[in-house]
Amino acid sequence: SQQGEEDPQALSIQEGENATMNCSYKTSINNLQWYRQNSGRGLVHLILIRSNEREKHSGRLRVTLDTSKKSSSLLITASRAADTASYFCATDSGNTGKLIFGQGTTLQVKP
Amino acid sequence: GAVVSQHPSWVICKSGTSVKIECRSLDFQATTMFWYRQFPKQSLMLMATSNEGSKATYEQGVEKDKFLINHASLTLSTLTVTSAHPEDSSFYICSATPTSAPEAFFGQGTRLTVV
Repeated sequence: SQQGEEDPQALSIQEGENATMNCSYKTSINNLQWYRQNSGRGLVHLILIRSNEREKHSGRLRVTLDTSKKSSSLLITASRAADTASYFCATDSGNTGKLIFGQGTTLQVKP
Repeated sequence: GAVVSQHPSWVICKSGTSVKIECRSLDFQATTMFWYRQFPKQSLMLMATSNEGSKATYEQGVEKDKFLINHASLTLSTLTVTSAHPEDSSFYICSATPTSAPEAFFGQGTRLTVV
C-alpha cells in the first residue's frame, strides 16, 4: 500500500535552480527517508530524518519534517543535470527497515 | 555504506516457467529482508518481509504460492516467481537494514520480462 502523496509528480527546472519536493504520509512514523532512483535502476539512499527531528542537511540537500502535518519536504539547492532522477520518500513506522513509499517525483534538470 | 547485491539484474523467461532472484547482504547480516515490486513509472510496492529461519510475511494481495520466498541464511534471501505470466513482468528489488544503521540499503534490482 502507498503511504501517501508526493508532489509535484513531475518537476522540470534549469541547472542552478532549486528543486523542492513534498511528501505526505498517513500513519505515525519512526523515521522518514528520501531515496533517488535513476531510470530503471536501484535506489540510492539520500537522507534519513527521525520523527523527533525537524530539519536535516546533507550537502546540497535539506529535508524538513512536520509530524503534526504528516509531511516532509526535500530541497535540492543549486541543481545539476546529474540530479535528474526520480525521488521517493519512504516511511518506517517501526524502525525495522520496512518502508512504505510515496508515489515519487520525477525531476528533470536541464543543462 | 552497507552493500546489498541482487542477481540477476535482468531476466527474460517464457510464460509458465519459474524464475529465482537472489538478494545478498555482502558485509552485514540481515535477519530480515524486504522485497518490493515496481511497475513502469510507478512507485515501489512492498510485497513481503523475508524472515531468516521462518516463513515470510506477505502484504495484502500478494500471492504467497506465486512468490516464494526463502531466507535460509543471514545473508541470503531468494524470491522465486513461479509459473510466471506476462503480467508478472516488473522490476523487483530487495532491501536490508543492518543493525548498525537505521536506513535501508537496496539491491540493484531485477528486471523480469515474461514472454
